Amino acid sequence: NAGVTQTPKFRVLKTGQSMTLLCAQDMNHEYMYWYRQDPGMGLRLIHYSVGEGTTAKGEVPDGYNVSRLKKQNFLLGLESAAPSQTSVYFCASSFRTGGWETQYFGPGTRLLVL
Amino acid sequence: GENVEQHPSTLSVQEGDSAVIKCTYSDSASNYFPWYKQELGKGPQLIIDIRSNVGEKKDQRIAVTLNKTAKHFSLHITETQPEDSAVYFCAAGETGRRALTFGSGTRLQVQP
Repeated sequence: NAGVTQTPKFRVLKTGQSMTLLCAQDMNHEYMYWYRQDPGMGLRLIHYSVGEGTTAKGEVPDGYNVSRLKKQNFLLGLESAAPSQTSVYFCASSFRTGGWETQYFGPGTRLLVL
Repeated sequence: GENVEQHPSTLSVQEGDSAVIKCTYSDSASNYFPWYKQELGKGPQLIIDIRSNVGEKKDQRIAVTLNKTAKHFSLHITETQPEDSAVYFCAAGETGRRALTFGSGTRLQVQP
């Protein structure tokens, strides 16, 4: 049981390049989330998904797209990277219940956009 | 939307002392308040949470208190140990909103 895994761990991009971050979970969780973490700003929600084939915008969705084609995977795409997207990206997942459940986080992907 | 403020941003204590981190929230509809611990190079991990129907919750050396009237909640760590050194995040959520709003984090350093 690996929990939540993220690929890659670190990446350097040039402005305008594109890339996809992969998140995978093996806990059969319904809900998955993408956050970015910047110094002094905590964790900010980019997009989230409440089930396979569904996605929704979070607090800071501009410049990002997501897809949830399989229940266990949640992909975050940057179509044209900008220096402002330099950050650490975390994926999380949780069970779906009537109330709140623990969010389990992956180890993060550090992205540097030059 | 919800806004969560967290203080202090850094906190240094001696081993064995207590540490207190405070958060305030703006949306009175929020009813779930988790605390996450993030160790260096890792993702955040839930350490304790509280729902709005209780005022205090304790788990060994960790406790959380909630004041709904004042819209603030606090994390208390007693008998701190060097392994408590990490960044701590508070968050607030509302049933149905499906998204947590996080505070900006507190870097706790426990000096041996």
